[in-house]
Amino acid sequence: AQSVTQPDIHITVSEGASLELRCNYSYGATPYLFWYVQSPGQGLQLLLKYFSGDTLVQGIKGFEAEFKRSQSSFNLRKPSVHWSDAAEYFCAVGSKTSYDKVIFGPGTSLSVIP
Amino acid sequence: EADIYQTPRYLVIGTGKKITLECSQTMGHDKMYWYQQDPGMELHLIHYSYGVNSTEKGDLSSESTVSRIRTEHFPLTLESARPSHTSQYLCASSGQGPRKLFFGSGTQLSVL
Repeated sequence: AQSVTQPDIHITVSEGASLELRCNYSYGATPYLFWYVQSPGQGLQLLLKYFSGDTLVQGIKGFEAEFKRSQSSFNLRKPSVHWSDAAEYFCAVGSKTSYDKVIFGPGTSLSVIP
Repeated sequence: EADIYQTPRYLVIGTGKKITLECSQTMGHDKMYWYQQDPGMELHLIHYSYGVNSTEKGDLSSESTVSRIRTEHFPLTLESARPSHTSQYLCASSGQGPRKLFFGSGTQLSVL
């Protein structure tokens, strides 16, 4: 069965520091992978996605993620965090089955210290 | 930007009341979804639809029901709300091809 884990429940970084949020997935074939961000009181916004091709994908707001098949990982990175990046981040995996579903991880809450 | 709207944004209601959470999208998407999210927890799919007159249960069992009479509209109904229904409900839609989801802002439901 598909599953997504995000080992870090909560991360705190200083503004200007680099960031890496971890995501591991379990899926029998090549998945579709996503990172979403949820600001307080808001819906989810897509940061970036991986479908095929180049394993390093660029997203909005200066984020990038790297798909590593051997590690079943899709970690999210940003070289310099801004205070406005404080939010909840969700990794998700989609399948090619007829269900057309996207499974979400539990989320990582990011706090940014000025 | 996505054009998917959920109302109400917040709802506080007493036990036993019937409620309907509204979700509408103006993108002409065939696929629509309802997710439930408890604070600090992952999203769970409770309902989805592939198009008009198509509705399916998701991974998480829910006492709610949905309908899809029009492409743009995917309301969720609870016939008799209970405190265990307190949660955030997120509606989403997607178009053709790989599954980029567009989310509404959510409805925060509190049942007293």
